[in-house]
Amino acid sequence: AQTVTQSQPEMSVQEAETVTLSCTYDTSENNYYLFWYKQPPSRQMILVIRQEAYKQQNATENRFSVNFQKAAKSFSLKISDSQLGDTAMYFCAFIPQGAQKLVFGQGTRLTINP
Amino acid sequence: DTAVSQTPKYLVTQMGNDKSIKCEQNLGHDTMYWYKQDSKKFLKIMFSYNNKELIINETVPNRFSPKSPDKAHLNLHINSLELGDSAVYFCASSGRGTTEAFFGQGTRLTVV
Repeated sequence: AQTVTQSQPEMSVQEAETVTLSCTYDTSENNYYLFWYKQPPSRQMILVIRQEAYKQQNATENRFSVNFQKAAKSFSLKISDSQLGDTAMYFCAFIPQGAQKLVFGQGTRLTINP
Repeated sequence: DTAVSQTPKYLVTQMGNDKSIKCEQNLGHDTMYWYKQDSKKFLKIMFSYNNKELIINETVPNRFSPKSPDKAHLNLHINSLELGDSAVYFCASSGRGTTEAFFGQGTRLTVV
């Protein structure tokens, strides 16, 4: 079975600091995609960043970047210069190529303090 | 324009009632989903439809019946609601060539 594990239920940092959220996954597939979704208190699920497993280069989106280690099956999210608006639940998700469902981790509740 | 919209946003109902949640996407996607988020925020897929056909049914009780009249709509009907059905239900869609899912704003269902 494919599983996604986020080992940090909660994290808290000061505004402007850098924070890294951890994610590991288990799969026997070679081609797949990984995502980080953000869920603010509004409840909306917002895609933050995606990574294709066949790409060695780590994805970046402005202040958000990932550290993708395929051999270790690790996919961490780094948020630089954190802002109050980054306060949210963050979910790591995985989908094999051609599959029809996302598998989510348990989520990490991130709080950015002023 | 809302890409994936679901109604209602909030639903409070009594045990034993039947209720429906509607979902529509205007992204032209072929695949639509229902996910359930429980009180611990865990997200789990319930159903997946591709071009109106059921692809995935993740051992969901028969009281839950999805219906896809066309590929832009996927509704969820729930019979004989139970307290344990209280959760946030998300509709989502994804298109051919895109792997990420686009989510609706969620429906918070509370069964009392």
